[in-house]
Amino acid sequence: EIVLTQSPATLSLSPGERATLSCRASQSVSSNLAWYQQKPGQAPRLLIYDASNRATGIPARFSGSGSGTDFTLTVSSLEPEDFAVYYCQQRSSNSWTFGQGTKVEIK
Amino acid sequence: EVQLLESGGGLVQPGGSLRLSCAASGFTFSSYAMSWVRQAPGKGLVWVSTISDSSAFTFYANSVKGRFTISRDNSKNTLYLQMNSLRAEDTAIYYCAKSRGFGTTDFDYWGQGTLVTVSS
Repeated sequence: EIVLTQSPATLSLSPGERATLSCRASQSVSSNLAWYQQKPGQAPRLLIYDASNRATGIPARFSGSGSGTDFTLTVSSLEPEDFAVYYCQQRSSNSWTFGQGTKVEIK
Repeated sequence: EVQLLESGGGLVQPGGSLRLSCAASGFTFSSYAMSWVRQAPGKGLVWVSTISDSSAFTFYANSVKGRFTISRDNSKNTLYLQMNSLRAEDTAIYYCAKSRGFGTTDFDYWGQGTLVTVSS
């Protein structure tokens, strides 16, 4: 099973700052990686698929990059509504796994 | 508008059974794989099971293999999860989720979830 490790566990930033979140896979997942945002009491929302493609309706301040084992989610300028938990996710050999999440909190 | 509405959660004793349902609307249900993902209180997301569009293929996490069964009724636009031999560690919110496309990694729509509590 492929393990996804996200870092940091918590990111403390102010609105307007840039957020950089990391996701590392235990073996190559090519570009088969997605990112989700989850706010308290809500279901996850798909942000990025195939490592770098924004999902429908996702603002341009969200971007994804990477391939193989190292991936990054960047929020160029944090809006108040962006403070949430972010998860990466992959699929391989008909098994899906999520990272443990990165919480982006207001500093 | 895509909508996924889970139901069937509740309190069940260890060793008991429960059947979750997910009613889908707003898209051609029979054309997409569907999945269940769970989240224990205060914890992260964990994939549980996936079923292909025609039910030809089913996949399970090792933690639920042999105890849970995923199925679907395309005539009713409904996804199911039969959960047997429930354990305390199965306590979680269970989300149903739609695959974005054939063979894709990600889930583009999620329901609001149904809470399953396994406790005596």
